[in-house]
Amino acid sequence: GQQLNQSPQSMFIQEGEDVSMNCTSSSIFNTWLWYKQDPGEGPVLLIALYKAGELTSNGRLTAQFGTTRKDSFLNISASIPSDVGIYFCAGRGTYKYIFGTGTRLKVLA
Amino acid sequence: SAVISQKPSRDICQRGTSLTIQCQVDSQVTMMFWYRQQPGQSLTLIATANQGSEATYESGFVIDKFPISRPNLTFSTLTVSNMSPEDSSIYLCSVVWGGGVDTEAFFGQGTRLTVV
Repeated sequence: GQQLNQSPQSMFIQEGEDVSMNCTSSSIFNTWLWYKQDPGEGPVLLIALYKAGELTSNGRLTAQFGTTRKDSFLNISASIPSDVGIYFCAGRGTYKYIFGTGTRLKVLA
Repeated sequence: SAVISQKPSRDICQRGTSLTIQCQVDSQVTMMFWYRQQPGQSLTLIATANQGSEATYESGFVIDKFPISRPNLTFSTLTVSNMSPEDSSIYLCSVVWGGGVDTEAFFGQGTRLTVV
C-alpha cells in the first residue's frame, strides 16, 4: 500500500538538542498528523494540522503543514530522554490515514 | 478521548490456527479501523470495520484471511485465519469520533502476535 516517506529514518541526538524530521508524499492530503509510538504501545497523536502553511505547537513540539499539501515537518526543541520512540507522520484524505515510514529517535543523556 | 481496549495484548500461536482480536471502546465511535504493523515497519490499513455490514478491505487483504465483525458502535473483532509465521505482527485497532481535533484517529495498545 501507499506510504509516506519520512526522513531521517533514525537519529541519535544529545539531550537538549533540537530535532527536525520531515514527511513527503506524492499525493495531496487535507490533513497531516504526527504520532509517537513507544515500545509495546499503540501510536499516540501529537499534533494535527488542517490548513496548508499552518504552524501548530504542542509544548516542545512544533509541526507545519507544507504549502504544497504534500509535505509536513516536525520539530522537537530541547530534547529529553523520554522523547525516545518512533515518530510517524500520517496524511488523511477523507477518512483514510496513510502512515509514513517512521523516524526512530534515540536521545543520549 | 475515549478508552480503547484490545484483547489479547499478545499471543503466541501455532501455524494453521486462527486468533480473534477484540477491540472495545468505552463510548460510541464513528469509525473503526484495523491496522497491521509488521516488525520494524510502519502501519498498514487492513480494513475499515463497518457497523452492521461487511468490512471494507484494502488492496492485498481479503475477508477469508481477515474476517472482521462490528456488531455495534463500540466493539469490533479481527480474526487472523490459518496463520503462518508471516502473520507475526502487531495488530492495532483505531477509532475516530467527534469533530475538530478529536476527529482524528486514536489507537489501542495493539496485539502482538507471534506465529510459530
